[in-house]
Amino acid sequence: DAKTTQPNSMESNEEEPVHLPCNHSTISGTDYIHWYRQLPSQGPEYVIHGLTSNVNNRMASLAIAEDRKSSTLILHRATLRDAAVYYCILGPFYGQNFVFGPGTRLSVLP
Amino acid sequence: EAGVAQSPRYKIIEKRQSVAFWCNPISGHATLYWYQQILGQGPKLLIQFQNNGVVDDSQLPKDRFSAERLKGVDSTLKIQPAKLEDSAVYLCASSPDPGGRNTIYFGEGSWLTVV
Repeated sequence: DAKTTQPNSMESNEEEPVHLPCNHSTISGTDYIHWYRQLPSQGPEYVIHGLTSNVNNRMASLAIAEDRKSSTLILHRATLRDAAVYYCILGPFYGQNFVFGPGTRLSVLP
Repeated sequence: EAGVAQSPRYKIIEKRQSVAFWCNPISGHATLYWYQQILGQGPKLLIQFQNNGVVDDSQLPKDRFSAERLKGVDSTLKIQPAKLEDSAVYLCASSPDPGGRNTIYFGEGSWLTVV
């Protein structure tokens, strides 16, 4: 079973910020928080990951709660190409059995 | 840098036939994964290799599925005989080594339809 909980779907308007939440209340101290997204007819692609501190890259930002039991993926300006299924996954420090849940389907409206 | 290569991209077979999928991971990546993704669901891990050894195959239906990674590079996933419920996308992925600090890189997938 997936160790994370995400909303099934979300909508956003183009060029507006999007905040995708994820709950992971059973996270262990050494689990990394990963986000992947899957565009239609493609394999999942890496978005961002972090351990304790907030992280930024060219695609997105990851905000991690102080107790690490939740996190938020932030897309600063949604584009139509960001419409995808977003997966929040815990990656154990040792081993790498990424368990994917159903993810959040993000729709971006023009 | 070349990504994870998979073939064939699409395959349609009749039930009880066999099929094989091939994967070439990113050069130098020691860890290789095969995932099965049924329409509308997240990917499910079938098998994980570290070099040419199996790390986790607990969810691989071993009565019909087999996988090998000879010489620790390319890998083949075989299904024999196929069932209707095997219709899915088979995703190959690789990573430099296991560990949550590393990123997993996925191929585009091999789409299987069993009729």
